[in-house]
Amino acid sequence: GQQLNQSPQSMFIQEGEDVSMNCTSSSIFNTWLWYKQDPGEGPVLLIALYKAGELTSNGRLTAQFGITRKDSFLNISASIPSDVGIYFCAGQLGTGNQFYFGTGTSLTVIP
Amino acid sequence: NAGVTQTPKFQVLKTGQSMTLQCAQDMNHNSMYWYRQDPGMGLRLIYYSASEGTTDKGEVPNGYNVSRLNKREFSLRLESAAPSQTSVYFCASTEGGVGNEKLFFGSGTQLSVL
Repeated sequence: GQQLNQSPQSMFIQEGEDVSMNCTSSSIFNTWLWYKQDPGEGPVLLIALYKAGELTSNGRLTAQFGITRKDSFLNISASIPSDVGIYFCAGQLGTGNQFYFGTGTSLTVIP
Repeated sequence: NAGVTQTPKFQVLKTGQSMTLQCAQDMNHNSMYWYRQDPGMGLRLIYYSASEGTTDKGEVPNGYNVSRLNKREFSLRLESAAPSQTSVYFCASTEGGVGNEKLFFGSGTQLSVL
């Protein structure tokens, strides 16, 4: 199957710092999704992206659909303790196709 | 509006036992999916159903069967559980085939096979 390379694998940051993570693929996707997963819970959708170059925000979170359509980026500004969790990217090759997932970025926020 | 509901939340099986994981969605979605999540390997697709009446294999289908019972429900069956099937299982759904899709997940089933 398709492989999405997500980096970094883990991050340890101070409260108030900004966070950046990204996903890259060898294939062109038409949809990028970003999720957050808390322990013992299912992934929760944060942001959906559908056009190359698209920049979408959800509160302190901003995600971008890369112009090559092979990558996507997620930024979190002014991190807070409740941002702790695992963040996943997911990509879809085309309408109706299955989604592929990155291996996740584990975020720890130190108060 | 509950979204995607999975049962049970936890299950312990002995090797060789069988069980069915249940999933239902109330969003009138066409497509439903079963994933397993293992440490360091992300989410891997087991089976999916693009629409009512159809099912297809995903990346890791061996040892599993599925049934799309109706538009709302999609079950995953382990006929003879093996320790390698110890994992967290997630059901998900999306409107399917209409573009600008969003994939929504249930809260998961943690399965241990001894």
